[in-house]
Amino acid sequence: DIVMTQAPLSVSVTPGESASISCRSSKSLLHSNGITYVYWYLQKPGKSPQLLIYRMSNLASGVPDRFSGSGSETDFTLKISRVEAEDVGIYYCGQLLENPYTFGAGTKLELK
Amino acid sequence: QVTLKESGPGILQPSQTLSLTCTFSGFSLSTYGMGVGWIRQPSGKGLEWLANIWWDDDKYYNPSLKNRLTISKDTSNNQAFLKITNVDTADTATYYCARIEGLQWFSYWGQGTLVTVSS
Repeated sequence: DIVMTQAPLSVSVTPGESASISCRSSKSLLHSNGITYVYWYLQKPGKSPQLLIYRMSNLASGVPDRFSGSGSETDFTLKISRVEAEDVGIYYCGQLLENPYTFGAGTKLELK
Repeated sequence: QVTLKESGPGILQPSQTLSLTCTFSGFSLSTYGMGVGWIRQPSGKGLEWLANIWWDDDKYYNPSLKNRLTISKDTSNNQAFLKITNVDTADTATYYCARIEGLQWFSYWGQGTLVTVSS
């Protein structure tokens, strides 16, 4: 199985500042079709997860452009610029390249 | 407007079969490229993908549970189903269904249904 490792486990951010969350996969997530199959989800407190980024760098519908995704074949970053109170929650990266599809353990974002 | 809602038994005993229903609106599972996935989350823990079913009735299962899982759909009634046989306490979790549209996997999620396995 592909292992997704996130860092840090938690991050505390001052509103208005930026935050970065890292995710590393145990295997390349770059498909021969040129698509990198890493996805990012946010689970706000008491809510269901929501899709933020698909195929490494594509913003899901309705997601503010303060969110961005980037990376290589095995190392990925979610960046949140100008963090707001509504961004609090647990961020998960996931690989949807290979069965079984797996997720990282999550990074908890809190406000200072 | 896309919505999904899971329903299940709430509580069941070890060795029983868990039957879950996902009732959705705003899309059709007969549309090319559409799918529904099931993902679970034990309380306070991370996400575990279980199974996907596609518009063409293709089905994919997590190998770690494959022998216990059955996914199916009722296109006419906009529902997807998941059965898990021989449950034990490790299956206690919130179970989510989520829409797949093309390469936008799990773009919409249901509210989740909590399932507790206890004797």
